Amino acid sequence: DIVMTQTPSSQAVSAGEKVTMSCKSSQSLLYSENKKNYLAWYQQKPGQSPKLLISWASTRESGVPDRFIGSGSGTDFTLTISSVQAEDLAVYYCEQYYDTPLTFGSGTKLEIK
Amino acid sequence: EVQLVESGGGLVKPGSSLKLSCVASGFTFSSYGMHWIRQAPKKGLEWIALIYYDSSNKYYADSVKGRFTISRDNSKNTLYLEMNSLRSEDTAMYYCARGEPLAYWGQGTLVTVSS
Repeated sequence: DIVMTQTPSSQAVSAGEKVTMSCKSSQSLLYSENKKNYLAWYQQKPGQSPKLLISWASTRESGVPDRFIGSGSGTDFTLTISSVQAEDLAVYYCEQYYDTPLTFGSGTKLEIK
Repeated sequence: EVQLVESGGGLVKPGSSLKLSCVASGFTFSSYGMHWIRQAPKKGLEWIALIYYDSSNKYYADSVKGRFTISRDNSKNTLYLEMNSLRSEDTAMYYCARGEPLAYWGQGTLVTVSS
Protein backbone atom coordinates (compact mmCIF):
# COMPACT_ATOMS: atom_id res chain seq x y z
CA ASP A 1 0.00 0.00 0.00
CA ILE A 2 1.13 3.57 -0.66
CA VAL A 3 1.64 5.43 2.61
CA MET A 4 0.80 9.13 2.67
CA THR A 5 2.53 11.26 5.31
CA GLN A 6 1.23 14.73 6.05
CA THR A 7 2.93 17.42 8.10
CA PRO A 8 2.31 19.29 10.27
CA SER A 9 -0.63 17.68 12.03
CA SER A 10 -1.92 21.11 13.00
CA GLN A 11 -1.10 24.70 12.33
CA ALA A 12 -2.41 27.97 13.72
CA VAL A 13 -2.14 31.11 11.63
CA SER A 14 -3.62 34.59 11.55
CA ALA A 15 -5.93 35.71 8.79
CA GLY A 16 -3.98 37.06 5.86
CA GLU A 17 -0.92 34.92 6.50
CA LYS A 18 0.47 32.36 4.09
CA VAL A 19 0.41 28.71 5.11
CA THR A 20 2.01 25.65 3.59
CA MET A 21 1.43 22.00 4.36
CA SER A 22 3.30 18.98 3.13
CA CYS A 23 2.31 15.56 1.84
CA LYS A 24 4.82 12.83 1.03
CA SER A 25 4.04 9.49 -0.56
CA SER A 26 5.97 6.25 -0.07
CA GLN A 27 6.22 5.79 -3.83
CA SER A 28 5.98 8.01 -6.87
CA LEU A 29 2.51 9.13 -7.90
CA LEU A 30 3.73 10.26 -11.33
CA TYR A 31 2.40 8.04 -14.08
CA SER A 32 4.98 8.00 -16.85
CA GLU A 33 2.56 7.48 -19.73
CA ASN A 34 0.58 10.69 -19.18
CA LYS A 35 3.01 12.63 -16.94
CA LYS A 36 0.25 13.17 -14.38
CA ASN A 37 0.56 13.01 -10.61
CA TYR A 38 -2.34 11.09 -9.07
CA LEU A 39 -2.57 13.29 -5.98
CA ALA A 40 -5.58 15.19 -4.64
CA TRP A 41 -6.20 17.61 -1.79
CA TYR A 42 -9.48 17.74 0.14
CA GLN A 43 -10.86 20.24 2.61
CA GLN A 44 -13.13 19.08 5.42
CA LYS A 45 -14.80 21.82 7.41
CA PRO A 46 -16.30 20.99 10.83
CA GLY A 47 -19.45 18.90 10.51
CA GLN A 48 -19.18 18.64 6.71
CA SER A 49 -18.18 16.09 4.12
CA PRO A 50 -14.78 16.42 2.47
CA LYS A 51 -14.62 18.64 -0.58
CA LEU A 52 -12.18 18.18 -3.46
CA LEU A 53 -9.97 21.25 -3.79
CA ILE A 54 -7.15 20.15 -6.09
CA SER A 55 -6.64 17.19 -8.39
CA TRP A 56 -3.62 16.02 -10.39
CA ALA A 57 -1.45 17.69 -7.73
CA SER A 58 -2.01 21.22 -9.04
CA THR A 59 -5.38 21.58 -10.82
CA ARG A 60 -7.84 23.65 -8.83
CA GLU A 61 -11.45 22.50 -9.00
CA SER A 62 -14.06 24.87 -10.37
CA GLY A 63 -15.08 27.45 -7.79
CA VAL A 64 -12.06 26.93 -5.54
CA PRO A 65 -10.46 30.29 -4.69
CA ASP A 66 -7.10 30.94 -6.33
CA ARG A 67 -5.45 31.36 -2.93
CA PHE A 68 -5.33 27.55 -2.82
CA ILE A 69 -2.26 26.35 -4.71
CA GLY A 70 -1.13 22.78 -5.15
CA SER A 71 2.39 21.92 -6.21
CA GLY A 72 4.90 19.10 -6.30
CA SER A 73 5.61 15.95 -8.23
CA GLY A 74 6.68 12.37 -7.69
CA THR A 75 6.63 11.83 -3.96
CA ASP A 76 6.64 15.36 -2.50
CA PHE A 77 3.62 17.64 -2.61
CA THR A 78 2.56 20.91 -1.04
CA LEU A 79 -0.70 22.75 -0.49
CA THR A 80 -0.27 26.48 -0.05
CA ILE A 81 -2.94 28.92 1.02
CA SER A 82 -1.54 32.29 -0.03
CA SER A 83 -3.64 34.44 2.30
CA VAL A 84 -5.65 32.49 4.86
CA GLN A 85 -9.24 33.52 5.48
CA ALA A 86 -11.37 32.71 8.53
CA GLU A 87 -13.51 30.36 6.43
CA ASP A 88 -10.45 28.20 5.68
CA LEU A 89 -10.71 26.67 9.15
CA ALA A 90 -10.71 22.97 8.29
CA VAL A 91 -8.75 19.76 8.13
CA TYR A 92 -6.88 19.26 4.87
CA TYR A 93 -6.20 15.78 3.55
CA CYS A 94 -4.03 14.60 0.70
CA GLU A 95 -4.96 11.41 -1.11
CA GLN A 96 -3.34 9.25 -3.74
CA TYR A 97 -5.45 7.68 -6.46
CA TYR A 98 -2.51 6.14 -8.32
CA ASP A 99 -3.39 2.69 -7.06
CA THR A 100 -5.85 0.80 -4.91
CA PRO A 101 -6.21 0.87 -2.03
CA LEU A 102 -6.68 4.61 -2.25
CA THR A 103 -4.91 6.10 0.74
CA PHE A 104 -5.17 9.36 2.60
CA GLY A 105 -2.77 11.32 4.73
CA SER A 106 -3.67 11.78 8.37
CA GLY A 107 -4.63 15.41 7.77
CA THR A 108 -3.43 18.88 8.68
CA LYS A 109 -5.78 20.81 10.95
CA LEU A 110 -5.73 24.51 10.17
CA GLU A 111 -6.69 26.79 13.02
CA ILE A 112 -7.15 30.53 12.78
CA LYS A 113 -5.61 32.61 15.54
CA GLU B 1 -26.35 19.36 -9.81
CA VAL B 2 -24.56 16.22 -8.68
CA GLN B 3 -26.07 14.72 -5.55
CA LEU B 4 -25.19 11.64 -3.54
CA VAL B 5 -27.49 10.71 -0.69
CA GLU B 6 -26.54 7.92 1.71
CA SER B 7 -28.94 6.09 3.98
CA GLY B 8 -29.22 2.92 6.02
CA GLY B 9 -26.97 3.71 8.95
CA GLY B 10 -27.92 3.11 12.55
CA LEU B 11 -27.07 1.53 15.87
CA VAL B 12 -26.38 -2.20 15.67
CA LYS B 13 -24.83 -4.85 17.90
CA PRO B 14 -21.47 -6.49 17.22
CA GLY B 15 -21.78 -9.40 14.83
CA SER B 16 -24.85 -8.04 13.10
CA SER B 17 -25.38 -6.87 9.51
CA LEU B 18 -26.39 -3.64 7.83
CA LYS B 19 -26.88 -2.50 4.24
CA LEU B 20 -26.11 1.06 3.20
CA SER B 21 -27.46 2.77 0.09
CA CYS B 22 -26.28 5.76 -1.89
CA VAL B 23 -28.68 7.28 -4.40
CA ALA B 24 -27.05 9.32 -7.14
CA SER B 25 -28.51 12.09 -9.28
CA GLY B 26 -27.35 14.85 -11.58
CA PHE B 27 -24.93 12.75 -13.62
CA THR B 28 -24.78 9.54 -15.65
CA PHE B 29 -24.30 7.10 -12.77
CA SER B 30 -23.53 4.16 -15.04
CA SER B 31 -20.43 5.93 -16.40
CA TYR B 32 -18.52 6.28 -13.13
CA GLY B 33 -16.69 4.13 -10.67
CA MET B 34 -17.99 4.61 -7.15
CA HIS B 35 -16.36 4.38 -3.75
CA TRP B 36 -17.19 4.00 -0.08
CA ILE B 37 -15.02 5.86 2.41
CA ARG B 38 -15.47 5.95 6.17
CA GLN B 39 -14.41 8.19 8.99
CA ALA B 40 -14.35 7.00 12.58
CA PRO B 41 -15.27 9.63 15.20
CA LYS B 42 -12.58 12.30 15.44
CA LYS B 43 -10.37 10.32 13.05
CA GLY B 44 -9.16 10.58 9.46
CA LEU B 45 -10.51 9.21 6.21
CA GLU B 46 -10.29 5.52 5.31
CA TRP B 47 -11.11 4.24 1.84
CA ILE B 48 -12.93 0.92 2.03
CA ALA B 49 -14.28 -0.12 -1.37
CA LEU B 50 -14.45 0.61 -5.11
CA ILE B 51 -16.75 -0.71 -7.79
CA TYR B 52 -16.21 -0.08 -11.49
CA TYR B 53 -18.90 1.61 -13.56
CA ASP B 54 -20.10 -1.73 -14.92
CA SER B 55 -19.51 -3.80 -11.75
CA SER B 56 -16.76 -5.70 -13.59
CA ASN B 57 -14.24 -5.10 -10.82
CA LYS B 58 -14.49 -4.58 -7.09
CA TYR B 59 -11.73 -3.75 -4.63
CA TYR B 60 -11.70 -3.68 -0.84
CA ALA B 61 -9.54 -2.49 2.00
CA ASP B 62 -8.00 -5.31 3.98
CA SER B 63 -9.92 -4.12 7.05
CA VAL B 64 -13.27 -5.05 5.46
CA LYS B 65 -12.37 -7.74 2.94
CA GLY B 66 -14.55 -10.81 3.35
CA ARG B 67 -17.07 -8.96 5.53
CA PHE B 68 -18.28 -6.09 3.32
CA THR B 69 -19.66 -6.27 -0.23
CA ILE B 70 -19.97 -3.33 -2.60
CA SER B 71 -22.57 -3.48 -5.37
CA ARG B 72 -24.58 -1.20 -7.60
CA ASP B 73 -27.80 -1.09 -9.58
CA ASN B 74 -27.33 1.23 -12.53
CA SER B 75 -31.04 1.06 -13.37
CA LYS B 76 -31.77 2.60 -9.98
CA ASN B 77 -28.74 4.93 -9.83
CA THR B 78 -27.90 3.34 -6.52
CA LEU B 79 -24.71 2.15 -4.85
CA TYR B 80 -24.79 -0.31 -1.96
CA LEU B 81 -22.53 -1.50 0.83
CA GLU B 82 -23.54 -4.70 2.55
CA MET B 83 -21.78 -5.01 5.90
CA ASN B 84 -21.63 -8.29 7.80
CA SER B 85 -19.97 -9.39 11.04
CA LEU B 86 -19.84 -5.82 12.22
CA ARG B 87 -17.29 -4.89 14.88
CA SER B 88 -16.98 -1.93 17.21
CA GLU B 89 -14.10 -0.65 15.05
CA ASP B 90 -16.53 -0.31 12.12
CA THR B 91 -18.23 2.56 13.94
CA ALA B 92 -17.90 5.51 11.58
CA MET B 93 -19.55 7.93 9.22
CA TYR B 94 -19.80 6.20 5.87
CA TYR B 95 -19.57 8.29 2.71
CA CYS B 96 -20.09 7.38 -0.91
CA ALA B 97 -18.06 9.27 -3.48
CA ARG B 98 -17.76 9.45 -7.24
CA GLY B 99 -14.80 8.75 -9.43
CA GLU B 100 -11.08 9.28 -9.11
CA PRO B 101 -10.27 11.71 -7.75
CA LEU B 102 -13.23 11.72 -5.39
CA ALA B 103 -14.93 14.71 -6.94
CA TYR B 104 -18.30 14.43 -5.21
CA TRP B 105 -19.20 13.12 -1.76
CA GLY B 106 -22.47 12.46 -0.03
CA GLN B 107 -23.34 13.83 3.39
CA GLY B 108 -22.66 10.49 5.02
CA THR B 109 -24.61 7.99 7.10
CA LEU B 110 -23.55 7.10 10.62
CA VAL B 111 -23.02 3.49 11.63
CA THR B 112 -22.58 2.75 15.31
CA VAL B 113 -21.65 -0.76 16.41
CA SER B 114 -22.13 -1.20 20.13
CA SER B 115 -23.61 -3.68 22.56
